[in-house]
Amino acid sequence: DVKVTQSSRYLVKRTGEKVFLECVQDMDHENMFWYRQDPGLGLRLIYFSYDVKMKEKGDIPEGYSVSREKKERFSLILESASTNQTSMYLCATHSSYRDEQYFGPGTRLTVT
Amino acid sequence: GENVEQHPSTLSVQEGDSAVIKCTYSDSASNYFPWYKQELGKRPQLIIDIRSNVGEKKDQRIAVTLNKTAKHFSLHITETQPEDSAVYFCAAATNDYKLSFGAGTTVTVRA
Repeated sequence: DVKVTQSSRYLVKRTGEKVFLECVQDMDHENMFWYRQDPGLGLRLIYFSYDVKMKEKGDIPEGYSVSREKKERFSLILESASTNQTSMYLCATHSSYRDEQYFGPGTRLTVT
Repeated sequence: GENVEQHPSTLSVQEGDSAVIKCTYSDSASNYFPWYKQELGKRPQLIIDIRSNVGEKKDQRIAVTLNKTAKHFSLHITETQPEDSAVYFCAAATNDYKLSFGAGTTVTVRA
């Protein structure tokens, strides 16, 4: 069974803070993704990574960066959190052998 | 980039009736169309998908149809049950697995 875990379920941060969201998978999947989910907007891709140390911008990368130093771990970084980054953040992995993205449980981030 | 539009945003059906959700996409290079179901408080999970070389695919009570010419695809749920109540997302992608999602449809099945 694929397991995708995220470091926190709920997080409250202040405006201007640097925020780290971590995602860990145990299935040796090459591809990893970070999405944010907002009501009425669906899931929007922030960044994705095909391999260690590789990253590509998604549709809404502004204000975010990522790090993938190990295959199983993909981190999303908010350099200076702002209130408009309050959202649900979902990590996902994708196996090249099976067409399915496996999602983590999500982190609900509130920036005050 | 790809733009996926999904309709309706909410859908209420009587138990036992059918539900249909429609999506359109903009990038003719898209060739993979999955549907995800997200129950309240849970993570999205793949329920069915279709590739552009196939026009229809069925899995028990759910089916997906694809019209490449018109660039639209639909999810059909027959004999709806209370456990079908959830948010459903369509998505489209090319070979790089970079999914573009629709805004979601909240389906409520009334007992």
